[in-house]
Amino acid sequence: DTEVTQTPKHLVMGMTNKKSLKCEQHMGHRAMYWYKQKAKKPPELMFVYSYEKLSINESVPSRFSPECPNSSLLNLHLHALQPEDSALYLCASSQDPRRSWETQYFGPGTRLLVL
Amino acid sequence: QKEVEQNSGPLSVPEGAIASLNCTYSDRGSQSFFWYRQYSGKSPELIMFIYSNGDKEDGRFTAQLNKASQYVSLLIRDSQPSDSATYLCAVCFGNEKLTFGTGTRLTIIP
Repeated sequence: DTEVTQTPKHLVMGMTNKKSLKCEQHMGHRAMYWYKQKAKKPPELMFVYSYEKLSINESVPSRFSPECPNSSLLNLHLHALQPEDSALYLCASSQDPRRSWETQYFGPGTRLLVL
Repeated sequence: QKEVEQNSGPLSVPEGAIASLNCTYSDRGSQSFFWYRQYSGKSPELIMFIYSNGDKEDGRFTAQLNKASQYVSLLIRDSQPSDSATYLCAVCFGNEKLTFGTGTRLTIIP
């Protein structure tokens, strides 16, 4: 089973709202990732968590705040977003952060619209 | 800057023919190479991965890696309309990151 789940599937929020995206995997993977993907562009890495610790932040604005409460869960907290933050937000996981060459498996994504 | 390049297409191939997708990358130290398929509005789905020089076959798909030329390709035999999608080449440059190419849009013509 290589399933990564994400909720919600769709989210519409105003610029003053606070919302959270949730990602879950039960494959025992110890690396989890957040990506942002705009239309007709490849996924852009935002954050990497290795063994529940933040290991990479790709200079993402502070209005995006990741959290990894346990080895199966990854959240992305959103606050004061801008319309240009509208995109598909993808979560991914891979088995072992020490083996960086391993396959990343993607969830179905959350399509976010900021009004 | 570590880069991955793909021809954005669109690439049109008749049904039943071989589709050939190409990708070049900038770093000779790259360790692993992945092909993802992405349908419009969906998330990327792993098709193949390859670590060693040469060919790797899985059903109708063959990945080819040439590290000396810094080149990786994906061949799709007996192309089907359901193969119409964007194909993303991704390269791991030895850290926790995947760097994606811009993707090639493939259309299989019935």
